[in-house]
Amino acid sequence: GQNIDQPTEMTATEGAIVQINCTYQTSGFNGLFWYQQHAGEAPTFLSYNVLDGLEEKGRFSSFLSRSKGYSYLLLKELQMKDSASYLCAVRVGLTGGFKTIFGAGTRLFVKA
Amino acid sequence: DGGITQSPKYLFRKEGQNVTLSCEQNLNHDAMYWYRQDPGQGLRLIYYSQIVNDFQKGDIAEGYSVSREKKESFPLTVTSAQKNPTAFYLCASSRSTGKSPYEQYFGPGTRLTVT
Repeated sequence: GQNIDQPTEMTATEGAIVQINCTYQTSGFNGLFWYQQHAGEAPTFLSYNVLDGLEEKGRFSSFLSRSKGYSYLLLKELQMKDSASYLCAVRVGLTGGFKTIFGAGTRLFVKA
Repeated sequence: DGGITQSPKYLFRKEGQNVTLSCEQNLNHDAMYWYRQDPGQGLRLIYYSQIVNDFQKGDIAEGYSVSREKKESFPLTVTSAQKNPTAFYLCASSRSTGKSPYEQYFGPGTRLTVT
């Protein structure tokens, strides 16, 4: 089956660094996404990895190891506005198309 | 402004009634998706469409129906057969050709309450 695991909740302090892990077991891997979702709002795209390694985008970085089925999202210089859920999602290829499978999300609380 | 819209934001219905949620995009995306989000369960795929006049069932299609008669529109009908319809419904679209990453753009969502 297709499965994505990530921690349910994490807490970190303003100004610090936090790493949110994601492990996946899927077939037909075609890329891994991270989305941010504030409470009651729609998810917004943060990052994408399709090859092994680190992708950096400002305060956010995402890492992928396809052989280990593992990714992490690194958030630096945390701000209060970073309090949100972070969704790990894997795009998989199917006969006739693609679909994206989402993890349950990690709720991040940033405290002062 | 390009984007994806869903209306209404909040919807209330009585049990036994069908209800249709609208989703419109002007991003010229070929692919569109419907998800359901329940607390602590992340996004679950209901239906998706890669191209006009074609759609496929997702992981939890029972009790739902869709149509894709126009590229811009992908309405979802929640039927009375859906046993637990109260949820937050999200529509999304993405490119499916050209340069990746094919990220999904989400509408603001419709919170459906059935009593």
